[in-house]
Amino acid sequence: GPKVLQIPSHQIIDMGQMVTLNCDPVSNHLYFYWYKQILGQQMEFLVNFYNGKVMEKSKLFKDQFSVERPDGSYFTLKIQPTALEDSAVYFCASSQTGVISNERLFFGHGTKLSVL
Amino acid sequence: GDSVTQTEGQVTVSESKSLIINCTYSATSIAYPNLFWYVRYPGEGLQLLLKVITAGQKGSSRGFEATYNKETTSFHLQKASVQESDSAVYYCALTDVGDNSKLIWGLGTSLVVNP
Repeated sequence: GPKVLQIPSHQIIDMGQMVTLNCDPVSNHLYFYWYKQILGQQMEFLVNFYNGKVMEKSKLFKDQFSVERPDGSYFTLKIQPTALEDSAVYFCASSQTGVISNERLFFGHGTKLSVL
Repeated sequence: GDSVTQTEGQVTVSESKSLIINCTYSATSIAYPNLFWYVRYPGEGLQLLLKVITAGQKGSSRGFEATYNKETTSFHLQKASVQESDSAVYYCALTDVGDNSKLIWGLGTSLVVNP
């Protein structure tokens, strides 16, 4: 079936550095999402994105976070600068029609971010 | 607030036995919650198993069933006879009607099916 790919699967960086997490969504999908899961906690919504813009974001989506999908390629989550509390697994998801329907989301495997 | 509770971190069942994975929810700010079960098989991404958007209804998929019980605020996942291939992590989630982006998740329950 359709797959969402996340690259890399694990990234280790020093606190204060910039990191970009990449997501290759399902090809005909138009809505994109990031979720964050800290070890031992629930997965939580970060942000959704459509037509080049952030539609909604949660309180977890700090000013240091940004998302974009340049030229219809990867959907990216950039954190600059990183902090220790950013260590988590970040899941990307996509859907075809988005928030006005109850369509299913397709998820990637997640990228584990370790901030040292 | 709104939340989903899965009390078991891991459930171990022998093949061909029945299964129940518990899920309860609290939806204080959501008038008409929609309920979901997602599953992550080893080496794969999360995928939707089943969803129910109307209280009192039952959803089913791949032999699994879950009934949306508004009185007990529960959405337990059941299967009459599990197979080894059902071993996975199961997540209960809820969202507001018509808004599937801000899913609120449970912690997940790891199902181990022994041959």
